[in-house]
Amino acid sequence: GQNIDQPTEMTATEGAIVQINCTYQTSGFNGLFWYQQHAGEAPTFLSYNVLDGLEEKGRFSSFLSRSKGYSYLLLKELQMKDSASYLCAVMDSNYQLIWGAGTKLIIKP
Amino acid sequence: GAVVSQHPSWVICKSGTSVKIECRSLDFQATTMFWYRQFPKQSLMLMATSNEGSKATYEQGVEKDKFLINHASLTLSTLTVTSAHPEDSSFYICSARISDYEQYFGPGTRLTVT
Repeated sequence: GQNIDQPTEMTATEGAIVQINCTYQTSGFNGLFWYQQHAGEAPTFLSYNVLDGLEEKGRFSSFLSRSKGYSYLLLKELQMKDSASYLCAVMDSNYQLIWGAGTKLIIKP
Repeated sequence: GAVVSQHPSWVICKSGTSVKIECRSLDFQATTMFWYRQFPKQSLMLMATSNEGSKATYEQGVEKDKFLINHASLTLSTLTVTSAHPEDSSFYICSARISDYEQYFGPGTRLTVT
């Protein structure tokens, strides 16, 4: 079956760095997405990785290892507004997104 | 950038009534739109894939006669929850596909059935 695992909840301090991990097992692979979702709102796109390596975009970076079925989202210089759920999603061979349950990130001052 | 709207943003209805939710792509045409449901503290659950001009494809366990989907144009898909029950109360989110790899989400509709 298809499966995506990510931690349920993480806590970090304002100004610090946090890494949110995601492991996956899917039928086929057409890329991995990270989305941010604030409570009561729809997800917003953060990153897309289809090749191995690190993609950096401002304070956020995303890493992918296809051989290990592993990705992480790295958030630097954390701000209170980064408190949200972070969803990992993999696009399978049918170009359908398979979603993880999301990681709730709590930022403390 | 690509914008997707949903209407209404929230709705309260009585048990047994039907509710229609609209999803529009405002600045692009979308042959494919997706409908998701999200319960509190849970991830998105794909309900169905809506294709313009053809029948929607429903995920396993989603009743097609209860959740009617119509994709009448390249910019509009509607989801009608028929004979709504309290257990249908949820956050419904649509997304519109702009390419194989890109889809944009609407702001969501919170449905409460009393």
